[in-house]
Amino acid sequence: GAVVSQHPSRVICKSGTSVKIECRSLDFQATTMFWYRQFPKQSLMLMATSNEGSKATYEQGVEKDKFLINHASLTLSTLTVTSAHPEDSSFYICSAARSGTGYTFGSGTRLTVV
Amino acid sequence: GENVEQHPSTLSVQEGDSAVIKCTYSDSASNYFPWYKQELGKGPQLIIDIRSNVGEKKDQRIAVTLNKTAKHFSLHITETQPEDSAVYFCAASIGRDDKIIFGKGTRLHILP
Repeated sequence: GAVVSQHPSRVICKSGTSVKIECRSLDFQATTMFWYRQFPKQSLMLMATSNEGSKATYEQGVEKDKFLINHASLTLSTLTVTSAHPEDSSFYICSAARSGTGYTFGSGTRLTVV
Repeated sequence: GENVEQHPSTLSVQEGDSAVIKCTYSDSASNYFPWYKQELGKGPQLIIDIRSNVGEKKDQRIAVTLNKTAKHFSLHITETQPEDSAVYFCAASIGRDDKIIFGKGTRLHILP
């Protein structure tokens, strides 16, 4: 079945630094990947749609200069949280769409900014 | 904008009984409706999905029904077991770029 690998699973960083999260589709090519953020006991909120070879499309209210998305290949999308602050602490999850099998989610990244 | 409403937010069910979670959506063009189960600290896992050309789909103890006219769909879990305890999210596709948006989730507790 379709597998999406997300790394790291947990990261702690200092305020003001940047953190990169990787999302890989292991056994299929994903022209489109999605990045979500989930705060404790809340739902998944779509942040942006990552398109291979082009700029990401950001949802309203999401700062594109703060959350940099790169989709350099058909199997890899990265999300970089720049100049992280404590309020950026959250659970970040990627997903990839595969024709015929729906959406597969990564295992998530727990980001804590101290 | 488009949204997905999910109810109830919390549901407690005696082990062995059935659980039903309901969702409504606003985008009449939505054509894909997945359900996800999320356990603490993990990413969502797809448990069942349905497309707009089908009214009902069943997979062992799990079933989903879809009413496109009323724009609502429901998840049914029968013969509930302790391992069914988790947060369940409904979702619906929107737009042309295959985005899906989620309901707010239902925390399901299976009581012994």
